[in-house]
Amino acid sequence: AQSVAQPEDQVNVAEGNPLTVKCTYSVSGNPYLFWYVQYPNRGLQFLLKYITGDNLVKGSYGFEAEFNKSQTSFHLKKPSALVSDSALYFCAVRDKAAGNKLTFGGGTRVLVKP
Amino acid sequence: GAGVSQSPSNKVTEKGKDVELRCDPISGHTALYWYRQSLGQGLEFLIYFQGNSAPDKSGLPSDRFSAERTGGSVSTLTIQRTQQEDSAVYLCASSLVGGRGPGYEQYFGPGTRLTVT
Repeated sequence: AQSVAQPEDQVNVAEGNPLTVKCTYSVSGNPYLFWYVQYPNRGLQFLLKYITGDNLVKGSYGFEAEFNKSQTSFHLKKPSALVSDSALYFCAVRDKAAGNKLTFGGGTRVLVKP
Repeated sequence: GAGVSQSPSNKVTEKGKDVELRCDPISGHTALYWYRQSLGQGLEFLIYFQGNSAPDKSGLPSDRFSAERTGGSVSTLTIQRTQQEDSAVYLCASSLVGGRGPGYEQYFGPGTRLTVT
């Protein structure tokens, strides 16, 4: 069975500082990994994905994530956080062998303070 | 272009009533998914439709839940004899399937907030 862990319920960061949101996963086959962001009373918005190839993936709004197979991690990063980045972030995994459904982590709330 | 749309945006119903939630996927997307987001359970997969294949119903929590997809487009999620634990936000997503390009990510609608009183 596939699973995702986001060890931090909340991350607080000052505006302009680097932001990291942690994610680790467990799958039986090759993982497809995704990050989504959810703003209040909104649906999930796709940020970026790792399918294959370069371990460093760049996505929307200046976010990037690094796939680390040995550590089974896919941490989300942004070099300089903005107040507008405050939202709920979800990591998700799809095991190609297990079909097309996504398994989500519990979410990490990011609060960027001015 | 237009994204995934869902209706209603909010639904309040009495315990024991049936409800229907609607999803209009992005035009041309062959795959459609339903998820449920609740405080206690996080984001849970419910059901997945792909073209004319039999749906993957492995996430439906009970036989009170069912879904159909007509004409390969619009989908309806039906919950019969609603219970208070069914209260949640029901999210629909769609995607292209296949290939190594953008076909893998799912695009989500704004959700339907269901409250069972």
